[in-house]
Amino acid sequence: EAGVVQSPRYKIIEKKQPVAFWCNPISGHNTLYWYLQNLGQGPELLIRYENEEAVDDSQLPKDRFSAERLKGVDSTLKIQPAELGDSAVYLCASSLRGEESYEQYFGPGTRLTVT
Amino acid sequence: TQLLEQSPQFLSIQEGENLTVYCNSSSVFSSLQWYRQEPGEGPVLLVTVVTGGEVKKLKRLTFQFGDARKDSSLHITAAQPGDTGLYLCAGAAGRFNKFYFGSGTKLNVKP
Repeated sequence: EAGVVQSPRYKIIEKKQPVAFWCNPISGHNTLYWYLQNLGQGPELLIRYENEEAVDDSQLPKDRFSAERLKGVDSTLKIQPAELGDSAVYLCASSLRGEESYEQYFGPGTRLTVT
Repeated sequence: TQLLEQSPQFLSIQEGENLTVYCNSSSVFSSLQWYRQEPGEGPVLLVTVVTGGEVKKLKRLTFQFGDARKDSSLHITAAQPGDTGLYLCAGAAGRFNKFYFGSGTKLNVKP
């Protein structure tokens, strides 16, 4: 069974440029998460989807970040315009709703460097 | 400010030694998870504990959830170089069982 797929794995952009990340969750997983992980820190939740609905986006900086999950499967996370402080690893995870443990499966992440 | 504090932040030990990593909070969690993350990869779930006082064993790893569901520990017996990695705890709380991650413990096991 394929795991969570993310692309690109690495991205280097100049500040003020836009950037987009893509995530394909595990087949059948209706819950999808985007996390941000700074160097030496644990992941921090940006947004959580239940199917197409964003049920928790309280930590998403909405002035420059946006996300979508149109058909309840793939998701994209966009930053426009990027700032130097956005340099981090962006992780996508998925889980099967209904499980009490909400076991999350993470993708390998996209490492973003803003210069 | 991290909701979950992990200690120690760094740990470098010799193969065969035992170690314990702690995860503490003033908040109560409905469940707590431990992950291991290797460089360039996403975290991989090791265990989920849901009941206060619960102890789970996974080969040489022993996980404990505090009685009050505010803290947890991970004990590794006879550490091996393959145990090297970043260990993260994550507690679930709130309306949507939101997960809050600790800052991690970076473990290096030297052969």
